[in-house]
Amino acid sequence: QVQLVESGGGLVKPGGSLRLSCAASGFTFSDYYMTWIRQAPGKGLEWVSYISSTSSYTNYADSARGRFTISRDNAQKSLHLQMNSLRAEDTAVYYCARGRCRGTSCPPDYWGQGTLVTVSS
Amino acid sequence: QSALSQPPSVSGSPGQSVTISCTGTSNDVGSDNGVSWYQQPPGTAPKLMIYDVTNRPSGVPDRFAGSKSGNTASLTISGLQAEDEADYYCSSYTNSASWVFGGGTKLTVL
Repeated sequence: QVQLVESGGGLVKPGGSLRLSCAASGFTFSDYYMTWIRQAPGKGLEWVSYISSTSSYTNYADSARGRFTISRDNAQKSLHLQMNSLRAEDTAVYYCARGRCRGTSCPPDYWGQGTLVTVSS
Repeated sequence: QSALSQPPSVSGSPGQSVTISCTGTSNDVGSDNGVSWYQQPPGTAPKLMIYDVTNRPSGVPDRFAGSKSGNTASLTISGLQAEDEADYYCSSYTNSASWVFGGGTKLTVL
C-alpha cells in the first residue's frame, strides 16, 4: 500500500533553516509528481510546492518562492523541502502528498501524516 | 492566489443531505481544471473524496457527489452518517499552474 512518511520537523528560530524529508513506498515513485502542503495550527490547507516526476519542473506558492527549495531523489524514493529564512508564519504541519497521476494538474491523492514545524524564538 | 471561498460550517441530522459550496474564479474553479474535495477528521491527514469535479476514488461511498456550475463547485453528502463529521476542503488547479484550497468547512452531524 502507498505510504508516505515525513520527517525533519521541529523547533527552529526565526531566520533559521530546516530540511524536511518524505520517504515513499508502495508505488513507483518516479511515475508521480509530488507536492508539499501545509496546515497552520487550527487553520486550513495551503499548497506550498510541487515537483514533477523527473524533477524537470517545480513550482512554489508565493509564500515559499525564494526561501524554499523542493527536490527529490527517485533512486532513494524520497522527497525533500529545504526551508530557509523561516518566519513565525511558516509554523505548520507539513504534509507530503502524491499527485494522483504524472501531470501536475492531477490532485494529490495519498498524504503522509505530516511533520510539525514550529518557528519561534 | 486567493483561497477559495467555503462556508465555515454546515450541519445536518443523520440520514439527511448537506451541500458544501466552493466559490472561486474563472482562473481556477471556473476553468477546465479539475476541482477536488478532501475530508479531514480531527487529528488526521486529508483524504481525497472527489477529483475532477465528479469522480470518486475507489472506496469512497457514492453518498458523496460533486458538481460544478460556473465558478462554484459543490460537494453533496447524502444519507449523513456520524462518521462523516469532519472538515472538508475543496481544491483547484489554477491557470497559473498552482494549487489553491478553500478555507475549509466543518461538518457537524447533529
